[in-house]
Amino acid sequence: AQSVTQLGSHVSVSEGALVLLRCNYSSSVPPYLFWYVQYPNQGLQLLLKYTSAATLVKGINGFEAEFKKSETSFHLTKPSAHMSDAAEYFCAVSRSGNTGKLIFGQGTTLQVKP
Amino acid sequence: EADIYQTPRYLVIGTGKKITLECSQTMGHDKMYWYQQDPGMELHLIHYSYGVNSTEKGDLSSESTVSRIRTEHFPLTLESARPSHTSQYLCASSEMGGEVDGNTQYFGPGTRLTVL
Repeated sequence: AQSVTQLGSHVSVSEGALVLLRCNYSSSVPPYLFWYVQYPNQGLQLLLKYTSAATLVKGINGFEAEFKKSETSFHLTKPSAHMSDAAEYFCAVSRSGNTGKLIFGQGTTLQVKP
Repeated sequence: EADIYQTPRYLVIGTGKKITLECSQTMGHDKMYWYQQDPGMELHLIHYSYGVNSTEKGDLSSESTVSRIRTEHFPLTLESARPSHTSQYLCASSEMGGEVDGNTQYFGPGTRLTVL
C-alpha cells in the first residue's frame, strides 16, 4: 500500500532564505510523485511531478524536487523564498495501477516572514 | 492552465436544504474526483468516476451522491444539508490513458460550503 508523510505541518522561513519541504513516501511499486500548492480559498495547483525520466524535477515558480529512491524521499526546495510562496503544499503519490487516484500527505503550511 | 470550473464558490445554507455543487471540465478527461477538505487539513476522496455512468465511493464515507451523465459534468448533491457537511469541496479531473498523465489531477477552485 502506498502512503505519504510530510514532515512538519508548519515551516517558517525568512524572505530570501532556502525553502525545504519534506516528503517521504511508501510504495511497493515505482511511484509517481507530485507536489501541489494551494493558496487560501483556492484549489490545488500542480507544481511539479516525478515521471521517472529524471530524478531532479523542475517545476513552476522556481521550485524543484529530487527523487531519492534510497531514502524514499521527494523533498521540495526553492533557493530563495518570496512572500508570494506563502501557501499550503501537498505531496502526493499515485496509487498502484492506472486508477488515477492519488494519496495526499497531510500538507505543510509555508510561512514567509519579511 | 487546466479548465475545470466549480460553482458556486461559496454557499451558505440552512439545515435541511438540498444542494448541488457543480463541477465541469473542458479538457475531455474521463476521470473525475470529488474531495472534501476541512481548513488546513488534508484532502479526503469522497467520490470518483472513470467515465459516463461510472461512479464509485471514495475513501471517506459521505452522505453526498454524484452523477456522471456527461463526460464534462460531475455534480455532487446533498439531499439534506447538515452543519456537519460544512467543509470545502474540491473537484478534480485526469486523463484516462497513460500512467503518469493519467494520474496527474487538475483541480477546480473549490466550493466552500457552510451549513447553518
